[in-house]
Amino acid sequence: NAGVTQTPKFRILKIGQSMTLQCTQDMNHNYMYWYRQDPGMGLKLIYYSVGAGITDKGEVPNGYNVSRSTTEDFPLRLELAAPSQTSVYFCASSSPGGGYEQYFGPGTRLTVT
Amino acid sequence: EDQVTQSPEALRLQEGESSSLNCSYTVSGLRGLFWYRQDPGKGPEFLFTLYSAGEEKEKERLKATLTKKESFLHITAPKPEDSATYLCAVQNLMDSNYQLIWGAGTKLIIKP
Repeated sequence: NAGVTQTPKFRILKIGQSMTLQCTQDMNHNYMYWYRQDPGMGLKLIYYSVGAGITDKGEVPNGYNVSRSTTEDFPLRLELAAPSQTSVYFCASSSPGGGYEQYFGPGTRLTVT
Repeated sequence: EDQVTQSPEALRLQEGESSSLNCSYTVSGLRGLFWYRQDPGKGPEFLFTLYSAGEEKEKERLKATLTKKESFLHITAPKPEDSATYLCAVQNLMDSNYQLIWGAGTKLIIKP
């Protein structure tokens, strides 16, 4: 049982490039979330999903996009990367039927230069 | 507006020196208050959920308590391996999407 996995662990992008951050969970959780974490700041919610085919915006969605075609996978797409998107990105999942806590992946550290 | 404030921002203790971290919150209805531990370069690791005022939970040297306005994370006789950033979050009872509202964290450093 791997929990929540994320790839890649590190990435450097040039301004204007695009990339997809991968997130997979093997706990059969319906709810999945993408956060970004900047130094000294709390976690900011980018997008979330309550099940396959259903996604919605969080607090800071601009410049990002998501899809949820399966229960397990929740990729985050960055289009036209900007320096303001330099951050650490975390994916999380939860199953409100079993409790309300979220379980996190190890994160992706992204630098845009 | 739902809000979480953690204090202090950083706390330096000697090994064995007990102390507490504070999490103050404002929420229209509390479903749960969550404590997480985050080590450098890693994702947050779930510690506790508290659901109602007066509730307490313990894990090794950590004990979390809850009132109607704040939560404390008490650390008894800490060891260097307890050094980490401790995050607090709340979940609004009316939120059907189970989102968490996060504090900025307290960085705890335990010196040997």
